[in-house]
Amino acid sequence: QVQLVESGGGVFQPGRSLRLSCAASGFGFNSHAMHWVRQAPGKGLLWVALIWDDGNKKRYAASVEGRFTISRDNSKSTLSLEIDGLRAEDAAVYYCVRDKSRTAAGLLDSWGRGTLVTVSS
Amino acid sequence: EIVLTQSPDTLSLSPGERATLSCRATESISLNYLAWFQQKPGQAPRLLVHGATRRATGIPDRFSGSGSGTDFTLTITKVEPDDFAVYYCQHYGTSLPFTFGPGTKLNLK
Repeated sequence: QVQLVESGGGVFQPGRSLRLSCAASGFGFNSHAMHWVRQAPGKGLLWVALIWDDGNKKRYAASVEGRFTISRDNSKSTLSLEIDGLRAEDAAVYYCVRDKSRTAAGLLDSWGRGTLVTVSS
Repeated sequence: EIVLTQSPDTLSLSPGERATLSCRATESISLNYLAWFQQKPGQAPRLLVHGATRRATGIPDRFSGSGSGTDFTLTITKVEPDDFAVYYCQHYGTSLPFTFGPGTKLNLK
């Protein structure tokens, strides 16, 4: 059974840096691309970043490029998202999402429960 | 960037009625790489349909997807109480960024 468990959310001040993590289990982690998708409170879904199965290719939404870094450790089946220079508009639930393919076709077939990032001074 | 619009914003129906949700893209979606998700309050989205017409594993056959090019539809033949939720469409494939529609809220009438 696929399980994706996010952690690292909380209340952070604007400008801070933080790291979100996702522990994956129940499937061959190194055979799937992975994504982060976020959802601001009461709003819709926004794709944030993706990483290929081997970690060699990464892509970002324009709104986060240069501030967010996606990474993975296939030996530990973990996915991470580093956020630098936190902004008010980054406040959201961040979901760890599995791609059905190795090469990030974007078919998002399994989702974690999400971790909430709140931005407050 | 492909922009997706969904209609209606809100759909109010009674159990047993038919639901028709629309998703329109600003440009043709190659290979009909269009997915539909269901999201209930406090829960993560769940994949319902991919490739415009293929039901995901475990999805009841009252959910069906149709369409091609720029116009897509999700139909729920007989809405059940468990179906009241927000529904999102999303395009995927080779054209980044992957984008979602703003959602259609299916309400109990």
